[in-house]
Amino acid sequence: NAGVMQNPRHLVRRRGQEARLRCSPMKGHSHVYWYRQLPEEGLKFMVYLQKENIIDESGMPKERFSAEFPKEGPSILRIQQVVRGDSAAYFCASSPHKYTEAFFGQGTRLTVV
Amino acid sequence: AQTVTQSQPEMSVQEAETVTLSCTYDTSESDYYLFWYKQPPSRQMILVIRQEAYKQQNATENRFSVNFQKAAKSFSLKISDSQLGDAAMYFCAYNTGNQFYFGTGTSLTVIP
Repeated sequence: NAGVMQNPRHLVRRRGQEARLRCSPMKGHSHVYWYRQLPEEGLKFMVYLQKENIIDESGMPKERFSAEFPKEGPSILRIQQVVRGDSAAYFCASSPHKYTEAFFGQGTRLTVV
Repeated sequence: AQTVTQSQPEMSVQEAETVTLSCTYDTSESDYYLFWYKQPPSRQMILVIRQEAYKQQNATENRFSVNFQKAAKSFSLKISDSQLGDAAMYFCAYNTGNQFYFGTGTSLTVIP
């Protein structure tokens, strides 16, 4: 059973471009979480999705950020018109049930130049 | 407010010795899960140990064990027989169902 797969591992975007981060959860996992980690800081919650539904997006900025987890395919975190402050590591995690541990991917490091 | 506090930004331990990392949390939920995750230089978040809040017995996983004090909302991690590979950032977290709340982490150095 492959782990949580995130791609790309590294992404460089110019200010104003769009960034698309992909996350394929572990097989059988229908719960996906996205977190952002700034250098030397902990993980900040962004959004929690369950197949085709956004359950909690309280940590996601209202503008420019969106997330989806379609019935088929990976979960996508989309950042439009990126700015320097969006530079961070973005982690995806998946779990089989709501209250159990989550398994993390290796993260996508986004650099905005 | 849901918060997790790790009051030790940095800790060090001699190889083969024992170290305890502290964590306190604040939640109004009655049912939740607690976790310790490890983040080595590779940045991969690795689950170390989990504890169900309704269980009184402290969880143990090989050299890793926890001291869970529900009334005090305390959840410390003990690492026995420390190894060089234990050097990493350790994050305490709890899950109320909709999200995991993480502490700011404790950086553990293992001295040979």
